[in-house]
Amino acid sequence: EPEVTQTPSHQVTQMGQEVILRCVPISNHLYFYWYRQILGQKVEFLVSFYNNEISEKSEIFDDQFSVERPDGSNFTLKIRSTKLEDSAMYFCASSETAYNSPLHFGNGTRLTVT
Amino acid sequence: AQKITQTQPGMFVQEKEAVTLDCTYDTSDQSYGLFWYKQPSSGEMIFLIYQGSYDEQNATEGRYSLNFQKARKSANLVISASQLGDSAMYFCAMSSRGSTLGRLYFGRGTQLTVWP
Repeated sequence: EPEVTQTPSHQVTQMGQEVILRCVPISNHLYFYWYRQILGQKVEFLVSFYNNEISEKSEIFDDQFSVERPDGSNFTLKIRSTKLEDSAMYFCASSETAYNSPLHFGNGTRLTVT
Repeated sequence: AQKITQTQPGMFVQEKEAVTLDCTYDTSDQSYGLFWYKQPSSGEMIFLIYQGSYDEQNATEGRYSLNFQKARKSANLVISASQLGDSAMYFCAMSSRGSTLGRLYFGRGTQLTVWP
């Protein structure tokens, strides 16, 4: 069964450093998302992406965040200057249609900012 | 705004028994979808089941069924014949046409523990 692939599985970085989290969505999916989950808390929406542009972003997704689809398969989340509170599990997801369609999540990247 | 409420922070069930995980939602939209995801201790998010607001039949997927009561705005997950491997965090989530492009709103989750 096709799946969403995320790399790396775990990233440790120092405060103020830039990180790029990578994702390969399911190949025939057109809608891509990033979510995050701070340890012990609920899953929060960051951004949705369609047709090479951001469709919606949450209040969490401020200027330090950016997303890109650099080629036909990868989807990346960049955090420019990491803060301690950015430590979380980051999930990439993709879906076939825009509405009421299951999102298929990757296994996540655990980001630890020290 | 969309809101999902899961009132059970933890549930315990004996192996082979059935268990119901509660979920209520709040939306003013007429068209919406309800989802359940499982998150084992390893952290991944596994899609379990989906119910559309216009679906008349309750969704079923193997041992999982969704008890959808539209008037009460509830979408409880029923797991039949629990297995030890069902021990995990379970999240109820919702999307609607009132929100753009597939954004999901998650509840706080229910930690299910299955004991032998």
